[in-house]
Amino acid sequence: NAGVTQTPKFQVLKTGQSMTLQCAQDMNHEYMSWYRQDPGMGLRLIHYSVGAGITDQGEVPNGYNVSRSTTEDFPLRLLSAAPSQTSVYFCASSYRYEQYFGPGTRLTVT
Amino acid sequence: AQSVTQPDIHITVSEGASLELRCNYSYGATPYLFWYVQSPGQGLQLLLKYFSGDTLVQGIKGFEAEFKRSQSSFNLRKPSVHWSDAAEYFCAVGRLSNFGNEKLTFGTGTRLTIIP
Repeated sequence: NAGVTQTPKFQVLKTGQSMTLQCAQDMNHEYMSWYRQDPGMGLRLIHYSVGAGITDQGEVPNGYNVSRSTTEDFPLRLLSAAPSQTSVYFCASSYRYEQYFGPGTRLTVT
Repeated sequence: AQSVTQPDIHITVSEGASLELRCNYSYGATPYLFWYVQSPGQGLQLLLKYFSGDTLVQGIKGFEAEFKRSQSSFNLRKPSVHWSDAAEYFCAVGRLSNFGNEKLTFGTGTRLTIIP
């Protein structure tokens, strides 16, 4: 049981490039979410999903897209990276209000 | 809108001493409250949660928290800290989303340093 996995662990992008952060879970949880963590700001919700085919926006959705084609996977797409998207990104799945976090992806946009 | 305030950015405690981390929330209904811990370079791990009932909740690693509705607080406590408790601690409040599921709002965190 791997829990929540994220790839890559580290990524450097140039402004304007696009990329997808991968997230997978093997606990059969319906609810998954993406957060970004910035110094002094805690974790902020980007997008979340309550099941395959259903997603909704969180607090800071601009510049990010998500889709949920399977229960296991919930990728986060950066359409055109900006320096303001430099952050640590966490994916989580949850069951009965307990969220299980992945190890994070540290993204730097230059 | 709900919000969470952790007034202490950084706390330093001697090993073996007691610990209290403060958390205040703003929420229109009965909140679902959580404490998470993040070790350096790691994701977050749930320490404990409060939904209803007994206002003193026990968690993992010897931590406990007390829900005080009159003070809108949910402070985390440990009677005797260990060097391995050095980490960042986040308080969070949960609410229902558009689809009826939870969405968490996190505080900005308190970094705990343990000195020998």
